[in-house]
Amino acid sequence: QSALTQPPSASGSPGQSVTISCTGTSSDVGAYNYVSWYQQHPGKAPKLMIYEVSERPSGVPDRFSGSKSGNTASLTVSGLQAEDEADYYCSSHEGSNNWVFGGGTKLTVL
Amino acid sequence: QLQLQESGPGLVKPSETLSLTCTVSGGSISSYDYYWAWIRQPPGKGLEWIGNIYYSGSTYYNPSLKSRVTVSVDTSKNQFSLKLTSVTAADTAVFYCARHGGGSFDFWGQGTLVTISS
Repeated sequence: QSALTQPPSASGSPGQSVTISCTGTSSDVGAYNYVSWYQQHPGKAPKLMIYEVSERPSGVPDRFSGSKSGNTASLTVSGLQAEDEADYYCSSHEGSNNWVFGGGTKLTVL
Repeated sequence: QLQLQESGPGLVKPSETLSLTCTVSGGSISSYDYYWAWIRQPPGKGLEWIGNIYYSGSTYYNPSLKSRVTVSVDTSKNQFSLKLTSVTAADTAVFYCARHGGGSFDFWGQGTLVTISS
C-alpha cells in the first residue's frame, strides 16, 4: 500500500483560488470514485470536506470543490479565507476494502 | 449528533500491546450503512488507515499492519476496539476512531496520543 502523492505545500492570497492535487494509480484514484478530502487544523481531528470525488457534505462552503481526471484528483479552494489555512489530505479506495491517504498538503494563506 | 471518543493508555512499553476503545454516542454502531475505522497519525506526519470493522464483526486491515492488528466490536456497549501488538517507537501516534460510509470518513473522534516508550 503506497500513500497517494500530494504536494507538501500550497499557498494563495485571500480571495484567490488554489488547487491541491492528489496523484494515485489506476488501482486506486483512477479505478474508483471514492476519493475524499479532509481539512485538519493544528491539534484538531480531520474534517471531511469532499466525498465521492466532488460531493460536499452539509455545512461545507461551496468554495470547496473536487474533481478527478485519470489517476489524479484535485481539491480547489476558491475565494481563499484565512480560516482555510490548514493541512489537507486526500483519501481513496484501493480495492479489497483497503483505503489509503495522501501525504498531506499544508495550505498557507498569504 | 454522532460523537466518537477514544480511550486507553497514553503510554505503552515497547514490545507490548496497545489497546484502545472507541465509544460511539448519538447513534448506533449497528447501522447497516457504516463501517467503523481506526486511523493513526504519527507526530508531524500524515494519516494512515489501520482498519475497518462492520457491526457484524467483518474486518478489513491495512496490509502493512495486518499481522499485528485486531479490531473488534461490542454492539451491546456501542463500542469498537483496537489492539496493536509488538509495538515500537514507530507506532507512537495520535490514534483516531471514525465512522466510514460512502467511501469517506465522515465523523471522527478527537484523537488520543499514544506514546511508545519504556
